[in-house]
Amino acid sequence: GAGVSQTPSNKVTEKGKYVELRCDPISGHTALYWYRQSLGQGPEFLIYFQGTGAADDSGLPNDRFFAVRPEGSVSTLKIQRTERGDSAVYLCASSLKRAHTDTQYFGPGTRLTVL
Amino acid sequence: TQLLEQSPQFLSIQEGENLTVYCNSSSVFSSLQWYRQEPGEGPVLLVTVVTGGEVKKLKRLTFQFGDARKDSSLHITAAQPGDTGLYLCASALNGGTSYGKLTFGQGTILTVHP
Repeated sequence: GAGVSQTPSNKVTEKGKYVELRCDPISGHTALYWYRQSLGQGPEFLIYFQGTGAADDSGLPNDRFFAVRPEGSVSTLKIQRTERGDSAVYLCASSLKRAHTDTQYFGPGTRLTVL
Repeated sequence: TQLLEQSPQFLSIQEGENLTVYCNSSSVFSSLQWYRQEPGEGPVLLVTVVTGGEVKKLKRLTFQFGDARKDSSLHITAAQPGDTGLYLCASALNGGTSYGKLTFGQGTILTVHP
């Protein structure tokens, strides 16, 4: 079956602009995670959804970052007033449930470049 | 916050050599996962270890979980160019609203030269 997909694969924007990054999880997966990965680093947790609700948004760096999952499937990560420091690869992952041993399947990521 | 330290950060070896990557924490892991990530792709799960002292093998890869569940290692025997990639260890918090949230190490970039 289809894996996790993310669009766009690359996004170049100017400082101060607004961007939206989309994640399509594996069908039937109730848990969805967003991570951010800077060059040469491991991914860092941003936010976790269980169904439609954000169960844990403790990783969002500030209030310029927001994410939604209105129907419990597709999720959108929104970044307002982008800054050069926001440049990174944004990864989405989904899992069937939310057990700590449950496999998270990652998408290929969206590479965001803020000029 | 549980921090995971991986070493070495970079590893460049010749085909056929053996190597070991380490993952350590000052805290006890509830479980630990190893991932491999190739350029332009997301991490792909290799293994999950949950029991102290556990050893798992995946072809030429051997994963070990420390008895105290505070460290883990990944050993590759007779490395091949296809093993090239970023290797990440990760741990998930257990319980509460952070169930399944992964904390990653900084990764080990492995390059295997033909």
